[in-house]
Amino acid sequence: QQPVQSPQAVILREGEDAVINCSSSKALYSVHWYRQKHGEAPVFLMILLKGGEQKGHDKISASFNEKKQQSSLYLTASQLSYSGTYFCGTEKVYSGGGADGLTFGKGTHLIIQP
Amino acid sequence: DVKVTQSSRYLVKRTGEKVFLECVQDMDHENMFWYRQDPGLGLRLIYFSYDVKMKEKGDIPEGYSVSREKKERFSLILESASTNQTSMYLCASGLATGELFFGEGSRLTVL
Repeated sequence: QQPVQSPQAVILREGEDAVINCSSSKALYSVHWYRQKHGEAPVFLMILLKGGEQKGHDKISASFNEKKQQSSLYLTASQLSYSGTYFCGTEKVYSGGGADGLTFGKGTHLIIQP
Repeated sequence: DVKVTQSSRYLVKRTGEKVFLECVQDMDHENMFWYRQDPGLGLRLIYFSYDVKMKEKGDIPEGYSVSREKKERFSLILESASTNQTSMYLCASGLATGELFFGEGSRLTVL
């Protein structure tokens, strides 16, 4: 089952901030974030494995809530190069432990205007 | 440089034809995945494999099969192509619970 991403689309001016959310009805093993530019393959941004975890680099960071059912991607002081479609990918937890194949949300289109 | 190579960037096939999409990775990754990408639907998992000769169904396996005879190669097979399988197909590989590396994609049109 695909995780739910919101919003579907965001239009920002350069320098503004954005938050993209990703949620699941069940506890997750991990959350991945990817960015895809038009006509290109998705590119990995980061992975979160622990409840309550926060990580990031430059002005892009992400959090994973304590219950491991929701993650948010934060883009601060956005740059033109941040434009693209952002996907969260999730792995479910099996009752016997371990993880499943990565399932992606429908994506969030981010447009940064000068 | 890591590389995931998909054999064909663009294919046009007729309804009922058998279609093979090939994917090769040069990073010695255990895990390989096939996704299809359609506007508004995101990336949907078709099949994945955690080892040679091993396969697991993803979210939308109907109408597809896969083959993994060698670690570096993962093939997606459409036994009898249909128009609703017109899509962009993306192959990816990675280590367990790690970063996925995607190929450039194969755009399949079924007439």
